[in-house]
Amino acid sequence: AQTVTQSQPEMSVQEAETVTLSCTYDTSESNYYLFWYKQPPSRQMILVIRQEAYKQQNATENRFSVNFQKAAKSFSLKISDSQLGDTAMYFCAFSNNDMRFGAGTRLTVKP
Amino acid sequence: GAVVSQHPSRVICKSGTSVKIECRSLDFQATTMFWYRQFPKQSLMLMATSNEGSKATYEQGVEKDKFLINHASLTLSTLTVTSAHPEDSSFYICSADFRVLGYNEQFFGPGTRLTVL
Repeated sequence: AQTVTQSQPEMSVQEAETVTLSCTYDTSESNYYLFWYKQPPSRQMILVIRQEAYKQQNATENRFSVNFQKAAKSFSLKISDSQLGDTAMYFCAFSNNDMRFGAGTRLTVKP
Repeated sequence: GAVVSQHPSRVICKSGTSVKIECRSLDFQATTMFWYRQFPKQSLMLMATSNEGSKATYEQGVEKDKFLINHASLTLSTLTVTSAHPEDSSFYICSADFRVLGYNEQFFGPGTRLTVL
């Protein structure tokens, strides 16, 4: 069974600075996808970024980028130039056929 | 595009009654839909995978007779919580599978908050 671990329950960052959220996972599969989702107070799940396991190049989406280390089974999210609107719960997720989520990291961006 | 709706957004019911939650893919057809449960300040836990025209696949520990799932069409899946009790109070989220750029992405509904008195 796949497991996803987020070891940082809470993090905070000053506006305009950079923060990195950690995620590790365990799987015996070779082909899978990894995701970071944002869940603001509205509870709507919003896709931040995705990574295909067979691609070595790290995915980037504007201010969001990942550091994907397949051998180490690590998938961290870097948020650059943090904005107040980035305040939310962030979930790391693993998907093969279905999706498994980590416990989440509550990120607070301080003005 | 790829919008998923849920109805109702909030429901309060008495203990012992049944509650139905609908999940619709508004602008695409979804062969597979998923149901999740999220307790306060916790993560999403997969309850079941719903496939159009066939029986749902439930995760270990989820009572299939209590959480009835029906996926009667390519745009609608329903979750019925039967004989609801206060411990069933939770936030229920559905998602629908849609193929995007060569892989299946899940699009999430806005969730339904169930409170059982």
